[in-house]
Amino acid sequence: DGGITQSPKYLFRKEGQNVTLSCEQNLNHDAMYWYRQDPGQGLRLIYYSQIVNDFQKGDIAEGYSVSREKKESFPLTVTSAQKNPTAFYLCASSIGQRRTRNGYTFGSGTRLTVV
Amino acid sequence: AQKITQTQPGMFVQEKEAVTLDCTYDTSDPSYGLFWYKQPSSGEMIFLIYQGSYDQQNATEGRYSLNFQKARKSANLVISASQLGDSAMYFCAMSRDNDMRFGAGTRLTVKP
Repeated sequence: DGGITQSPKYLFRKEGQNVTLSCEQNLNHDAMYWYRQDPGQGLRLIYYSQIVNDFQKGDIAEGYSVSREKKESFPLTVTSAQKNPTAFYLCASSIGQRRTRNGYTFGSGTRLTVV
Repeated sequence: AQKITQTQPGMFVQEKEAVTLDCTYDTSDPSYGLFWYKQPSSGEMIFLIYQGSYDQQNATEGRYSLNFQKARKSANLVISASQLGDSAMYFCAMSRDNDMRFGAGTRLTVKP
């Protein structure tokens, strides 16, 4: 079955460490996205990529980095510069570079906790 | 900048009744899309319904319908015949090109 796989489901990070969240899709979608969700709040866009080797900052990109070396993969690195990284991170993809009536397909999320 | 507002942090509805979840948005672009997603306690986001800014008719998908009032910039979700499984967070979202922004969400609780 096609879909988006995020791993790990739960991640613990010590302060000052960088961590990388994995996002892989086998839907042959061109565009991929990373969102952050804090408790009781909506999703905020971190980064998005509409094509391989290209990505754009979203609304809260500071302290995060991404790469898009393959169409299927869009890993997110939470760096030590991110002051409050504890949150639920959702990866999504969409079929093309333009808006689609089908919306985004989301992964099941990674819950990151700083200890 | 896009802004999506959901003014109801929480809503209660009796099983089998209809409920309306409010969403207003702000954009200066003439072309945009509006979406509703459901997020159960497990965390995944489930796409429910889409409305394009140029669509002439309100969107419907099964028990979900979207009350689109373009002049008022509102896109309310109507769920008919509520079921216990409808209890979840509901998010309104807007996309101009291919960058979707979300509202803060409404927690819906369906009472038996």
